[in-house]
Amino acid sequence: QQPVQSPQAVILREGEDAVINCSSSKALYSVHWYRQKHGEAPVFLMILLKGGEQKGHDKISASFNEKKQQSSLYLTASQLSYSGTYFCGTEKTSSGNTGKLIFGQGTTLQVKP
Amino acid sequence: EAGVTQSPTHLIKTRGQQATLRCSPISGHTSVYWYQQALGLGLQFLLWYDEGEERNRGNFPPRFSGRQFPNYSSELNVNALELEDSALYLCASSLGGHSTDTQYFGPGTRLTVL
Repeated sequence: QQPVQSPQAVILREGEDAVINCSSSKALYSVHWYRQKHGEAPVFLMILLKGGEQKGHDKISASFNEKKQQSSLYLTASQLSYSGTYFCGTEKTSSGNTGKLIFGQGTTLQVKP
Repeated sequence: EAGVTQSPTHLIKTRGQQATLRCSPISGHTSVYWYQQALGLGLQFLLWYDEGEERNRGNFPPRFSGRQFPNYSSELNVNALELEDSALYLCASSLGGHSTDTQYFGPGTRLTVL
């Protein structure tokens, strides 16, 4: 089942913060975050595996809640280069290694000067 | 280090024809994944190959098929093309075949079916 991302779109001014959520009705094995700029390949941002985990680099961080049903991506002091579509790719807690990421529908982020 | 490469960049076909898309993974990666990204939709998982074997496939008809070669490169074949097959086809590779391995994406092949 496809995870639900929210919001669908957000417009920011440079320096503002944003939060993108990725929710599932069932516990997830992992969450992978990607950013895709128009006409380009999705670029890997980070992966979360453990409930309660938080990680990040530079001004982009993410969390995975204890129940492993929601992950949030935090963009602080946004820059123009943050513009793009953000996808969460998830794998359900399952019996095996499926290699199959189920992606959310994406959140379009536009940062304006 | 070279990233994932895909060819061709663009492909135009007519209904009923066959399309072949190619992917070269990052050196040292043994797993290759194929995704379809139709306009306005997210990425839909198509196929996963690891060590030359098909490990998993998504909810796509059998006319979507592929293979992985001994050098780990892969090709995706789409037979009897339909208009709704028009999409960006993305290939990704990972170091191994575990769920936690990061999938690195190529730039994609834009397939247009007329």
